[in-house]
Amino acid sequence: GAGVSQSPSNKVTEKGKDVELRCDPISGHTALYWYRQSLGQGLEFLIYFQGNSAPDKSGLPSDRFSAERTGGSVSTLTIQRTQQEDSAVYLCASSSEETQYFGPGTRLLVL
Amino acid sequence: GIQVEQSPPDLILQEGANSTLRCNFSDSVNNLQWFHQNPWGQLINLFYIPSGTKQNGRLSATTVATERYSLLYISSSQTTDSGVYLCAVTTFAGNNRKLIWGLGTSLAVNP
Repeated sequence: GAGVSQSPSNKVTEKGKDVELRCDPISGHTALYWYRQSLGQGLEFLIYFQGNSAPDKSGLPSDRFSAERTGGSVSTLTIQRTQQEDSAVYLCASSSEETQYFGPGTRLLVL
Repeated sequence: GIQVEQSPPDLILQEGANSTLRCNFSDSVNNLQWFHQNPWGQLINLFYIPSGTKQNGRLSATTVATERYSLLYISSSQTTDSGVYLCAVTTFAGNNRKLIWGLGTSLAVNP
């Protein structure tokens, strides 16, 4: 079936605005991850959803970041009052067991 | 927490050459994965390999869990192999599964 999809693919916003990033995981995958990758940096874990369990939010860098996963499928990552340091590629991955499948990412630029 | 170190950080090869990439981890892990991130940012899972050896075409991987390292072999390299090779290990904290990522090996294969 289709892989993990993310939207938008690119987003340019002004400092202080809110943005929403969307992730559609592979159908049937119970686990969903959000990561951030800044230019030239490694992957930074943000948040992890597993089934109906409480999400692991330990990677969220500040309270401006939040995420939800509705119906155990689609997930939205929201960044409020964006800052220039939020500029990065935001990657979503889903998995059914151990292997993670990544989406193409959303490239966020905060001016 | 667990540390994941990859070496070398950068590698330049002539097309047709072979190479070995290494991933060291500082503690016991539940599994290990190798990923390739192409120059456009897409992450592709190469191997899920908690132990032993697996082969897929020109690529193979070996994990020696007792000695806390994994090796990724690339034979007869091609320009399309260029990109960043990432190693990630999985740890469990309660019911939560978390991936710890290395910083990657950036590979450039020249024609």
